[in-house]
Amino acid sequence: EDQVTQSPEALRLQEGESSSLNCSYTVSGLRGLFWYRQDPGKGPEFLFTLYSAGEEKEKERLKATLTKKESFLHITAPKPEDSATYLCAVQVRTGTASKLTFGTGTRLQVTL
Amino acid sequence: NAGVTQTPKFRILKIGQSMTLQCTQDMNHNYMYWYRQDPGMGLKLIYYSVGAGITDKGEVPNGYNVSRSTTEDFPLRLELAAPSQTSVYFCASSYRTGRPTYEQYFGPGTRLTVT
Repeated sequence: EDQVTQSPEALRLQEGESSSLNCSYTVSGLRGLFWYRQDPGKGPEFLFTLYSAGEEKEKERLKATLTKKESFLHITAPKPEDSATYLCAVQVRTGTASKLTFGTGTRLQVTL
Repeated sequence: NAGVTQTPKFRILKIGQSMTLQCTQDMNHNYMYWYRQDPGMGLKLIYYSVGAGITDKGEVPNGYNVSRSTTEDFPLRLELAAPSQTSVYFCASSYRTGRPTYEQYFGPGTRLTVT
């Protein structure tokens, strides 16, 4: 069975204090790994897609990396507006649509 | 573009009542999806559609029904609501599968309470 595990469940950082969020996965036939940001009361917002081990993508203070077993979302010098829940999802090879299996997320709080 | 829109934003149902959650996208996406999100749990796929007239079950389809008569609309029907269906429901859409894979775009959600 495909599994996605995110850690930590919650993370509290001071502004400027860099850290990383982890997403480990056990799937057969990874097609893509996705990172989303979710603000309270809103739908998930797409951040990155990673396809193969060694790939990296960056957007402002965020950088996502991928290995064969896990992905990291690195947050450099975070600001309070980076506070959100970060979701990881994997897409596996299936016969039909793009089905995603989601982790339970990491709640990030960045304080002044 | 409005993206993915969902109505209503909130709804309270009594046990046994029925309702339809509406979802519309204006991005001409082929694929549409319904998820539910419960506290402390990951998003779970309820149903999905690969195009007008074609739907299939996801991980947790029991108690729900869908239809897709147009590219834009993908309503989710709850029959005989139960407390276990209390959740936040998200609709999403994407272009298609294949490589590269296309990310799913989510609506703002419908918060449903069944009492």
